[in-house]
Amino acid sequence: TQLLEQSPQFLSIQEGENLTVYCNSSSVFSSLQWYRQEPGEGPVLLVTVVTGGEVKKLKRLTFQFGDARKDSSLHITAAQPGDTGLYLCAVKTSYDKVIFGPGTSLSVIP
Amino acid sequence: EAQVTQNPRYLITVTGKKLTVTCSQNMNHEYMSWYRQDPGLGLRQIYYSMNVEVTDKGDVPEGYKVSRKEKRNFPLILESPSPNQTSLYFCASGNPHYEQYFGPGTRLTVT
Repeated sequence: TQLLEQSPQFLSIQEGENLTVYCNSSSVFSSLQWYRQEPGEGPVLLVTVVTGGEVKKLKRLTFQFGDARKDSSLHITAAQPGDTGLYLCAVKTSYDKVIFGPGTSLSVIP
Repeated sequence: EAQVTQNPRYLITVTGKKLTVTCSQNMNHEYMSWYRQDPGLGLRQIYYSMNVEVTDKGDVPEGYKVSRKEKRNFPLILESPSPNQTSLYFCASGNPHYEQYFGPGTRLTVT
């Protein structure tokens, strides 16, 4: 069974701090997505990373795909209260299923 | 506006009473999927569909049915709901890169 692990599970920081969350697996993936979900709403796609070692930036968010395409990280610079939410990573398996990690719940305190 | 719609948004029902949750997308995506989200268990895929008349089981298909007669619609059917199907359900459609676009969710309570 392919599994995605995310760490940390919970993160509470002050506005303006930097943070990094991680998504790991023992399997190799052709691509990986990051989503953000706010309470009571559906996840919203942030980015897709495809190439090993790839780095993508979305304003204050920096996403990296591991060289071996088994892991990914999301770094947020100068976090703001609007960044609060559940951050999920997801991959397509070899059977066209999509699996999600358990998520990192981020709380940014003003 | 590109979107995925689901109805109803909230539903309270009783054990054994058949129900259908509708899902529709206007992005012409071939891939559609249903997920349930439960505290501590995360998002789990129930069923997915690669195209019209093609459906496959996800990780938690027991107690659910789906159909894909048209490209835009992918209803989720609970023939005999049970309390353990109380959950938050999301429909999603996906582009060829499997990037998922989610509906607003349906909160189902089975008593």
